[in-house]
Amino acid sequence: GAVVSQHPSWVICKSGTSVKIECRSLDFQATTMFWYRQFPKQSLMLMATSNEGSKATYEQGVEKDKFLINHASLTLSTLTVTSAHPEDSSFYICSARVGNEQYFGPGTRLTVT
Amino acid sequence: AQSVAQPEDQVNVAEGNPLTVKCTYSVSGNPYLFWYVQYPNRGLQFLLKYITGDNLVKGSYGFEAEFNKSQTSFHLKKPSALVSDSALYFCAVRGSNDYKLSFGAGTTVTVRA
Repeated sequence: GAVVSQHPSWVICKSGTSVKIECRSLDFQATTMFWYRQFPKQSLMLMATSNEGSKATYEQGVEKDKFLINHASLTLSTLTVTSAHPEDSSFYICSARVGNEQYFGPGTRLTVT
Repeated sequence: AQSVAQPEDQVNVAEGNPLTVKCTYSVSGNPYLFWYVQYPNRGLQFLLKYITGDNLVKGSYGFEAEFNKSQTSFHLKKPSALVSDSALYFCAVRGSNDYKLSFGAGTTVTVRA
């Protein structure tokens, strides 16, 4: 089956620093990639939709200058949390779409101290 | 706007008993419906989907779901639950013209031995 990886699986950073999270589709090319955020015991909130070679589309309330998304190829999208603050601590999950299917990555746990 | 409601935060059943996790949805046009399962600190695993065709959909690990258009429901079922089915379950919906998924709040299933 289709596999999506995320790196790192967890990261701890200091307040004010930036963190990059990678999302890769390992055995398929993804038309679109999505970035979600999940707080403990809560649902997934869509942050942005990313298409290769074009600017990401952000959901209402998501700061595009804070959450930078780059979609360099059909197999790689990156999310950079800039000037991270403790309130950015969360579980970030990406998914990759091909056809009608979305395949989810294992998630990245970000803790900002 | 599209939305999903999972009315139960928690479902507790004994091993070997039937398991039902409820989901109702709202979407414009024909719905694309999905069920995912999430284990602690992991990404989402796909269980099954309904796009068109037979209202009873069979998926992974013995799960099935029934699409009911008149009740706008898509309840997840398993005839005989296992302890290993204990996890967080999400129902999701999207419209036929939009690949963005909207997730329910999730239902925590606990299967006791």
